Amino acid sequence: KAGVTQTPRYLIKTRGQQVTLSCSPISGHRSVSWYQQTPGQGLQFLFEYFSETQRNKGNFPGRFSGRQFSNSRSEMNVSTLELGDSALYLCASSPTGTGDYGYTFGSGTRLTVV
Amino acid sequence: AQTVTQSQPEMSVQEAETVTLSCTYDTSENNYYLFWYKQPPSRQMILVIRQEAYKQQNATENRFSVNFQKAAKSFSLKISDSQLGDTAMYFCASKGGSEKLVFGKGMKLTVNP
Repeated sequence: KAGVTQTPRYLIKTRGQQVTLSCSPISGHRSVSWYQQTPGQGLQFLFEYFSETQRNKGNFPGRFSGRQFSNSRSEMNVSTLELGDSALYLCASSPTGTGDYGYTFGSGTRLTVV
Repeated sequence: AQTVTQSQPEMSVQEAETVTLSCTYDTSENNYYLFWYKQPPSRQMILVIRQEAYKQQNATENRFSVNFQKAAKSFSLKISDSQLGDTAMYFCASKGGSEKLVFGKGMKLTVNP
């Protein structure tokens, strides 16, 4: 059974640009969550999608957005990149998003903004 | 709002010894789940163990077990017979109802040969 796939694994962008990250959940999983991980702030929740609907949203500026498609694949977009957006972005999928089956994480996308 | 606190930023242990990682949490949910995740240098977050709050029995997974104290809102992880491969960041997390999965700051565990 394939795991959670995040693409690309590494990305270097220039300040002011925009970026789109992709996450393909485990087959059958309908919930996808996104996290930003930095050494100083730890794991911060960005948003969660379930069956194409945003169910929860973290405290991030509007430059951060996401969506989920009918096949449960999810994308997150960051516009007008800032140096502080450099981080590891992790995606996690779950069958139901209620915690009863746990969450499976992808290997992340390492974004560097220069 | 849920909060998860890991007060020990770093620990080290000798191979084959037992180590306990502490975690406290706070939630207003009646039904919730608690997790320990491991993140080795490869950066993949791996689920170590899961505890359902309504189950009084402590979860165990091979060398990993938890001490779940619901009234004290404490959820510690015990690693027995530590191995070099256990070296990683360990994160405690809580998920209640439709709330988001919330993580603690993490603890760096080093297993020394």
